[in-house]
Amino acid sequence: KAGVTQTPRYLIKTRGQQVTLSCSPISGHRSVSWYQQTPGQGLQFLFEYFSETQRNKGNFPGRFSGRQFSNSRSEMNVSTLELGDSALYLCASSLSQGGKLFFGSGTQLSVL
Amino acid sequence: GDSVTQMEGPVTLSEEAFLTINCTYTATGYPSLFWYVQYPGEGLQLLLKATKADDKGSNKGFEATYRKETTSFHLEKGSVQVSDSAVYFCALSDQTGTASKLTFGTGTRLQVTL
Repeated sequence: KAGVTQTPRYLIKTRGQQVTLSCSPISGHRSVSWYQQTPGQGLQFLFEYFSETQRNKGNFPGRFSGRQFSNSRSEMNVSTLELGDSALYLCASSLSQGGKLFFGSGTQLSVL
Repeated sequence: GDSVTQMEGPVTLSEEAFLTINCTYTATGYPSLFWYVQYPGEGLQLLLKATKADDKGSNKGFEATYRKETTSFHLEKGSVQVSDSAVYFCALSDQTGTASKLTFGTGTRLQVTL
């Protein structure tokens, strides 16, 4: 069974641009969560989607948004990129909301 | 709000040494507690969990006991191997049990040498 797949693996953007990251959950998983990992702040919860609806949201500005499609794949978007958005963005899927999380390898975003 | 405090690393041990990584938490109610491990270049993997006081989570020789009285969930292993070298994260979910919304500690890097 394929694991959680995140694309792209690496991304370089400049300040002010926007970026879209993609996450394909494990087959059959309906919940997708996103986390930001930085050396300074550690791992921080961004949001969770279940059945195409955002169920939980962390403490991030509105520049961070996401969505989930009917096949459970999810995208997150960051607009007007700032240097501080440089981070590893991790996606995790679970069978149901609140279930055991399976993490992808992440997308490493560098903002120059 | 909820928070998790882990001992700072890196922790460097020789193979077969005893491992303890301290973790304490602050939370309202009765959170569930987790240990995750991150190997180089990979995402996080759930190592073990405990959902109520005095529960002991165990996996691959690692153990941690949910201590409500000391608000702790220390990770232990009796004999570490080189393959255990990784970053270990302690985490909690809030009392609603929404395990998707986790609060993580800062992580402790473990390096095991021959």
